Amino acid sequence: GAGVSQSPSNKVTEKGKDVELRCDPISGHTALYWYRQRLGQGLEFLIYFQGNSAPDKSGLPSDRFSAERTGESVSTLTIQRTQQEDSAVYLCASSRKAGDQPQHFGDGTRLSIL
Amino acid sequence: GESVGLHLPTLSVQEGDNSIINCAYSNSASDYFIWYKQESGKGPQFIIDIRSNMDKRQGQRVTVLLNKTVKHLSLQIAATQPGDSAVYFCAERTGGGNKLTFGTGTQLKVEL
Repeated sequence: GAGVSQSPSNKVTEKGKDVELRCDPISGHTALYWYRQRLGQGLEFLIYFQGNSAPDKSGLPSDRFSAERTGESVSTLTIQRTQQEDSAVYLCASSRKAGDQPQHFGDGTRLSIL
Repeated sequence: GESVGLHLPTLSVQEGDNSIINCAYSNSASDYFIWYKQESGKGPQFIIDIRSNMDKRQGQRVTVLLNKTVKHLSLQIAATQPGDSAVYFCAERTGGGNKLTFGTGTQLKVEL
């Protein structure tokens, strides 16, 4: 596509439920990044993919968070047993290859945990 | 740990004036810096970047200055317009890595 696409744009769920967030990167971009942005704050790095592999998962806050990527395209970020502190905007970005800049961002998924 | 921070959380300027948004970084190993603009409900939008072997780079109405001696980065916006109202983030990349470390952002408000 023309830009990075994320879905859903908004997600409201109850504490304890699992959620899946989807990212479609720019066509041809082999590197894909996930960030979290809490209200009024900057972006926190979560994980990045080069192709379908994730060389750096250092930002995932707990084992409730996981991500996968298939076909060097779509990526899914999964949060299990959601907690209220997981409420944030989850942003995805892509670049032509790992290390290339700038990273191009989608508009994010706003996740609210009740 | 390393951090990127901004001096001013909110900056108000009159339309037509120049804006200067500042950013301090602490990691002397950072080799690349970037400015993003984020409007409400949108993802960050690339504005301009600079590598550590440069001290100035100009774009359309924007200039980024890098002072490695004092670890300071600034974004200058000429003839600020209402459409420039947004939150501006600086970010750094360390050692050619793949992740960016972001500052907390500055809210730019343009007054008519």
